[in-house]
Amino acid sequence: DAGITQSPRHKVTETGTPVTLRCHQTENHRYMYWYRQDPGHGLRLIHYSYGVKDTDKGEVSDGYSVSRSKTEDFLLTLESATSSQTSVYFCAISGLQGNQPQHFGDGTRLSIL
Amino acid sequence: DQQVKQNSPSLSVQEGRISILNCDYTNSMFDYFLWYKKYPAEGPTFLISISSIKDKNEDGRFTVFLNKSAKHLSLHIVPSQPGDSAVYFCAASPGSNDYKLSFGAGTTVTVRA
Repeated sequence: DAGITQSPRHKVTETGTPVTLRCHQTENHRYMYWYRQDPGHGLRLIHYSYGVKDTDKGEVSDGYSVSRSKTEDFLLTLESATSSQTSVYFCAISGLQGNQPQHFGDGTRLSIL
Repeated sequence: DQQVKQNSPSLSVQEGRISILNCDYTNSMFDYFLWYKKYPAEGPTFLISISSIKDKNEDGRFTVFLNKSAKHLSLHIVPSQPGDSAVYFCAASPGSNDYKLSFGAGTTVTVRA
């Protein structure tokens, strides 16, 4: 198993509250990604990082921000959660050469009421 | 608009027979293609990949075929086993320093005993 840990694994919160999801890797990989998985859409890229403090937007970035202050940690923040952000969130990593398979964590199931 | 499409949401196959999963894409810049397998409550697991310079890649029971002119790829699983019951995602990236993945919506495979 790739050394990827997502926390929390499950979270229920209310609309309007801030939420931070954490992805921690022990592989020293350069690239890290956040996806959300929704029925009928597969996985969609939210944000990604290509190094410490280097991040960029993905396909569905509105309402989300990220930070990467250390190689091993990539944080996803919902500043003010909305019900449309109820989803399963996956973190992924890939190695020094970007065109390598991404390896995924086991996900965070987030419910916003 | 979804650039990677898996038009069959589900597939049921008898144990020992061949499973064929299909995937179409619209972006002609895609250069690298992958298949992932996902069990419930787990993250996607990398299965097999193919680059655009090839038309076939094989790994044990899994073979991926790429038809660039038709913008179509398929995954063959022979023989199908009960442990193959899962959701399969097709994904693609442009490569060449752009490694962001676009995913299809997934196909749920059920292998019957």
